[in-house]
Amino acid sequence: GAVVSQHPSWVICKSGTSVKIECRSLDFQATTMFWYRQFPKQSLMLMATSNEGSKATYEQGVEKDKFLINHASLTLSTLTVTSAHPEDSSFYICGAHRQETQYFGPGTRLLVL
Amino acid sequence: AQKVTQAQTEISVVEKEDVTLDCVYETRDTTYYLFWYKQPPSGELVFLIRRNSFDEQNEISGRYSWNFQKSTSSFNFTITASQVVDSAVYFCALSEYTGTASKLTFGTGTRLQVTL
Repeated sequence: GAVVSQHPSWVICKSGTSVKIECRSLDFQATTMFWYRQFPKQSLMLMATSNEGSKATYEQGVEKDKFLINHASLTLSTLTVTSAHPEDSSFYICGAHRQETQYFGPGTRLLVL
Repeated sequence: AQKVTQAQTEISVVEKEDVTLDCVYETRDTTYYLFWYKQPPSGELVFLIRRNSFDEQNEISGRYSWNFQKSTSSFNFTITASQVVDSAVYFCALSEYTGTASKLTFGTGTRLQVTL
C-alpha cells in the first residue's frame, strides 16, 4: 500500500509555457500533500503544503503566483509552473501524507529550453 | 528549529562490507518522528523506516538495522553485507509529532556507492 504516482515523469518545454504536474495517491486518500524541488546532488527543498479543499501554504521565498497548487480531491494535487524559464528546470517530487508518514511519487524532471 | 545533519557526503564500499550511515538531529520538541528514505538513481524516494521519539528500540529488517539513541540525538542506519543494489542516496528526516501531517526536515543525504 501507499503508492503515489506522478505524471509526467519527464517534460521538456519552451521558455514561457506553463507546465502542469499531477500527483496522485493511488491506494489511499491524502488530505495533505507536499511539493518539493530537488537540484542535482542536493537535498529536497519543500516548496509548499497542499491541503484538500483549501489554499496551499507556501514556504518562504517560493512565488505562489508562479507555482500554482490545486488539491481538488483527496487523491489528486497538481503543481503548475507558470511561464516557465530555464531556471525552473529541476526535479519536482510530491509527498502524500498517510498515517504519520510521507510517501513519495517517482518525481518529474522538468527541462525548460 | 529542527535540523538534521548527515555528515557523510559520500561513502564507497565493496560488496559484502557492512556500512553505517550516520544521522544526528536537533529539535526542541519532546515528541517527534525520525525517518530514513532511499533515493536510487531513478529518483523516486523510497520510505524505509519511521521511528517515534518514545520508542528507542532498535529495529532490524533483513540486512537493514537502525540504532536510535535519544541521549546522543542520533538515528544511525546500518546495512549488513552490502549489495550493488544498495547504491543510492540515503536521506534521514525529522518531523513533528502533531497527529496531523507535518513537514519533514531532511538531511543533506549520504551517497552510498557499492562496488563489486
